[in-house]
Amino acid sequence: DAMVIQNPRYQVTQFGKPVTLSCSQTLNHNVMYWYQQKSSQAPKLLFHYYDKDFNNEADTPDNFQSRRPNTSFCFLDIRSPGLGDAAMYLCATSSHSYEQYFGPGTRLTVT
Amino acid sequence: DQQVKQNSPSLSVQEGRISILNCDYTNSMFDYFLWYKKYPAEGPTFLISISSIKDKNEDGRFTVFLNKSAKHLSLHIVPSQPGDSAVYFCAASSSGTYKYIFGTGTRLKVLA
Repeated sequence: DAMVIQNPRYQVTQFGKPVTLSCSQTLNHNVMYWYQQKSSQAPKLLFHYYDKDFNNEADTPDNFQSRRPNTSFCFLDIRSPGLGDAAMYLCATSSHSYEQYFGPGTRLTVT
Repeated sequence: DQQVKQNSPSLSVQEGRISILNCDYTNSMFDYFLWYKKYPAEGPTFLISISSIKDKNEDGRFTVFLNKSAKHLSLHIVPSQPGDSAVYFCAASSSGTYKYIFGTGTRLKVLA
């Protein structure tokens, strides 16, 4: 089945220790997104790629970076995680339609 | 400033009755609206959408209504089933931006 896969599902990192979350897709969609969702809040768009074009949201902290080495993979790098970065991180894809397909998310804990 | 609002954090409905989930938006540039359903420990899954050129879209038990003048949309689920118990998010987008703004979600509980 075509899908969006996120690894790991649960990630624990230490305060200030860099962490990378990964996302892969078998849908061959050209747009990939990273969202941050904190408890009882709306998913917040961090950035998205349209093919290789990177689009950063104005309020995304510099601490967050992303890489998309090819169509299938996209990574979220948090350079120096703080306690406030603990959240669910959702990866999503879309093609030229408006529907987005989400992965199951990675829950990040910062200790 | 939250551009998409779901003012009801939770809703309980008896099985077989109608569930109505509401969503309001402030940005008049939004022209496409989507509803997602989210179960615990899973990512949101697409449910139904509506373009601003329509005022209603129906898919089985799910119907979305759009009132552009009021900047309001609603999702109707008829009849409601226990399996519909989940968090429902509405999201909005403007043509060509490929960006989606989500509401905070409404937790629906369908009581058997």
